[in-house]
Amino acid sequence: NAGVMQNPRHLVRRRGQEARLRCSPMKGHSHVYWYRQLPEEGLKFMVYLQKENIIDESGMPKERFSAEFPKEGPSILRIQQVVRGDSAAYFCASSPEDEKLFFGSGTQLSVL
Amino acid sequence: KNQVEQSPQSLIILEGKNCTLQCNYTVSPFSNLRWYKQDTGRGPVSLTIMTFSENTKSNGRYTATLDADTKQSSLHITASQLSDSASYICVVSSQTGANNLFFGTGTRLTVIP
Repeated sequence: NAGVMQNPRHLVRRRGQEARLRCSPMKGHSHVYWYRQLPEEGLKFMVYLQKENIIDESGMPKERFSAEFPKEGPSILRIQQVVRGDSAAYFCASSPEDEKLFFGSGTQLSVL
Repeated sequence: KNQVEQSPQSLIILEGKNCTLQCNYTVSPFSNLRWYKQDTGRGPVSLTIMTFSENTKSNGRYTATLDADTKQSSLHITASQLSDSASYICVVSSQTGANNLFFGTGTRLTVIP
């Protein structure tokens, strides 16, 4: 049973480009969470999704950021028109019903 | 304001020694407290989860304590190994659901031979 898979591990974008981060949850997990970690800061919740539904997006900026978890395929976190302040590590976690979280290895986004 | 404060920020110990990491929180309401280990360049891995009624929980050489009255927790590592070098993150949940987690900034532990 593979763990939570995130790709790419590292992503470099120029200002104004789009960034797409992918997360495949563990088999059997229907809950996906995205977190952002800035240097020297704790992880911050962004969005919580179940299949085809956004349950809680209260931690996600209203503009430029979107997330989806389609019926088939990985969850996608999309950042449009990236700015330098978007540079961070983005972690995805999945869970079964019991709240225990399993994290992926993260995507390090660098905006030039 | 819901906050999770950890101390020390960083710690260096000799292999084989014990150490204790501290976590103070102001999160309310309280659902559970978790300790995670995060290796460099990796995602956090769960060590323990404690609810309000639990005041100690062990996972191998890791023992977590919780005092819900004083809103303090500690993580004790016994007989440290080089592989224990990592960041240890305290996470407090304000209510059920992993979208209600407050993360500390972690204690960076380095174990040297």
